[in-house]
Amino acid sequence: DGGITQSPKYLFRKEGQNVTLSCEQNLNHDAMYWYRQDPGQGLRLIYYSQIVNDFQKGDIAEGYSVSREKKESFPLTVTSAQKNPTAFYLCASSIAGGPSGELFFGEGSRLTVL
Amino acid sequence: QKEVEQDPGPLSVPEGAIVSLNCTYSNSAFQYFMWYRQYSRKGPELLMYTYSSGNKEDGRFTAQVDKSSKYISLFIRDSQPSDSATYLCAVSMEYGNKLVFGAGTILRVKS
Repeated sequence: DGGITQSPKYLFRKEGQNVTLSCEQNLNHDAMYWYRQDPGQGLRLIYYSQIVNDFQKGDIAEGYSVSREKKESFPLTVTSAQKNPTAFYLCASSIAGGPSGELFFGEGSRLTVL
Repeated sequence: QKEVEQDPGPLSVPEGAIVSLNCTYSNSAFQYFMWYRQYSRKGPELLMYTYSSGNKEDGRFTAQVDKSSKYISLFIRDSQPSDSATYLCAVSMEYGNKLVFGAGTILRVKS
């Protein structure tokens, strides 16, 4: 079955530690995205990539980093510089240049900083 | 002011009721309008997608866009307990451009 796989589903981290969230897709989509979801705030875009080896900052990129070395993979690193990292993180993909709005989401990773 | 405003609810209705979910947006340049449904602890899934003004129907769901009022709606007829979820509206300006999401409305349909 085609889809997006995020891992881990739940992650606990101590303050000051970096953590990397995995996102893999087998939909053959060119574009991939990372969103952060907090209660009452909807989804906010962290980073997005429309092609391998290229990515752009979204609205809340500070304290995060990404890489796009393969079409299928778009890992997100939450660094110690992110002041409030506890959140639900969602990875998504879409056909580059496809109709706006047709994002396919993974099931999310919930990060808790202790 | 947020670009997209959405009442977070929760909205609680009895089974069989007609549900109306709404969003307002501030920028008249938005042309693409979407509704996503998100079940608890899952990722959102696209429910409805419309371009510009007008209505679009899919089974029990109707999406409505009024660009003159900058108002978008999702109607659910004959609501079912399985419709209980968070409904997120989303807008974008251009073909293939990034989305701006509302905060989401929590809907609970009681049997």
